[in-house]
Amino acid sequence: DTGVSQDPRHKITKRGQNVTFRCDPISEHNRLYWYRQTLGQGPEFLTYFQNEAQLEKSRLLSDRFSAERPKGSFSTLEIQRTEQGDSAMYLCASSPVVHEQFFGPGTRLTVL
Amino acid sequence: SQQGEEDPQALSIQEGENATMNCSYKTSINNLQWYRQNSGRGLVHLILIRSNEREKHSGRLRVTLDTSKKSSSLLITASRAADTASYFCATDVASDSWGKLQFGAGTQVVVTP
Repeated sequence: DTGVSQDPRHKITKRGQNVTFRCDPISEHNRLYWYRQTLGQGPEFLTYFQNEAQLEKSRLLSDRFSAERPKGSFSTLEIQRTEQGDSAMYLCASSPVVHEQFFGPGTRLTVL
Repeated sequence: SQQGEEDPQALSIQEGENATMNCSYKTSINNLQWYRQNSGRGLVHLILIRSNEREKHSGRLRVTLDTSKKSSSLLITASRAADTASYFCATDVASDSWGKLQFGAGTQVVVTP
């Protein structure tokens, strides 16, 4: 399968713990995006990368959130000191420069 | 805040009927895209319409764009049970970073056999 993959698919953690999610984009896609989706809402933009450069971060991304894309391939999204409000589906998407985006299955985070 | 707003929020139709949903947005766009999300599955891109286009077709899908009214519509013809999903419009805002999408809250469509 050459689509976007995300790992893990589900994560349950206790408040205050750190979590890290991974996204593997479609190879040769320069752009990689992170979104967050809560129940009944559309995805909200968090951040995106052009190759290894992080070009923009949403105001939703507090200093507890950090994202990286070393070598312009896979990306990681880390949330430190998780809060219950962080519970959501975290979606990753990739695209060949500016084009339609291909989404992964998402990582569902539950913070207890 | 979300740029796009879909209408209606929910739609229930029978197989074979057409489904129409609308999207309104607030600021100038580079393009507008429609995505589908099935229960428990990821988002799938359906169609992209550029700001200088007025209508686009893809299979049973027809999308229109009226930039003067800042609105778009998605028509699904001859609906099938497999079309049951949430449909989102997403705008690539002209004043923003290229490719950064702003999604609406979606229209939940249920197609009954």
